[in-house]
Amino acid sequence: QVQLVQSGAEVKKPGSSVKVSCKASGGSFSSHVISWVRQAPGRGLEWMGRIIPILDTTNYAQKFQGRVTITADKSTTTAYMELSSLKSEDTAVYFCARGEYSSSSGLGVFDIWGQGTMVTVSS
Amino acid sequence: DIQMTQSPSSLSASVGDRVSITCRASLGISHYLAWYQQKPGKAPKVLIFAASTLSSGVPSRFTGSGSGTDFTLTISSLQPEDVATYYCQKYNSALGDTFGPGTKVDIK
Repeated sequence: QVQLVQSGAEVKKPGSSVKVSCKASGGSFSSHVISWVRQAPGRGLEWMGRIIPILDTTNYAQKFQGRVTITADKSTTTAYMELSSLKSEDTAVYFCARGEYSSSSGLGVFDIWGQGTMVTVSS
Repeated sequence: DIQMTQSPSSLSASVGDRVSITCRASLGISHYLAWYQQKPGKAPKVLIFAASTLSSGVPSRFTGSGSGTDFTLTISSLQPEDVATYYCQKYNSALGDTFGPGTKVDIK
């Protein structure tokens, strides 16, 4: 059974960067897409972007363009999300989620989620 | 950019009631619509994908319908364990996989 295991909680200063990891244990990235979704305290889910590791292609939500970078290491089945120029409004739980990918069907729903990583931005 | 809206934002119903949540896309998204359930402190769980396909292990009291711009999630007989926030999501889009704002479901 594939699990997505994320790195631990982070506390960051405004203006700094944070890098969160997401390791697929018991599985591979070969036919999947990894997305990142965040949830500020008491708020809804916000899609940030995704990577298709087998194609090494990324898409980002317009809101985060220029500030977020999503990468993946196929050899360790680990995806990363780095968010820069942090503000207090970036305080949130950050989730990675996996979906199926195929060239014929495209991108699937998020059927497996990581446990979430709390990122707190505070001076 | 395609926007997703949901109504109502919250609802309270009795155990055994039939409840429905509506999701609307600002442009047609065919059948690429999913519903997720999120309980406090937990990651979301997919209930329905392709607008009407029940995800494995999800109780049959959950059904999804719709296509294009208008979609509905129905719980045929509300159970105490269904207390959660429900999100719709468009997926398989080059423009991104946007979520709706969520609907909080409580027991009266």
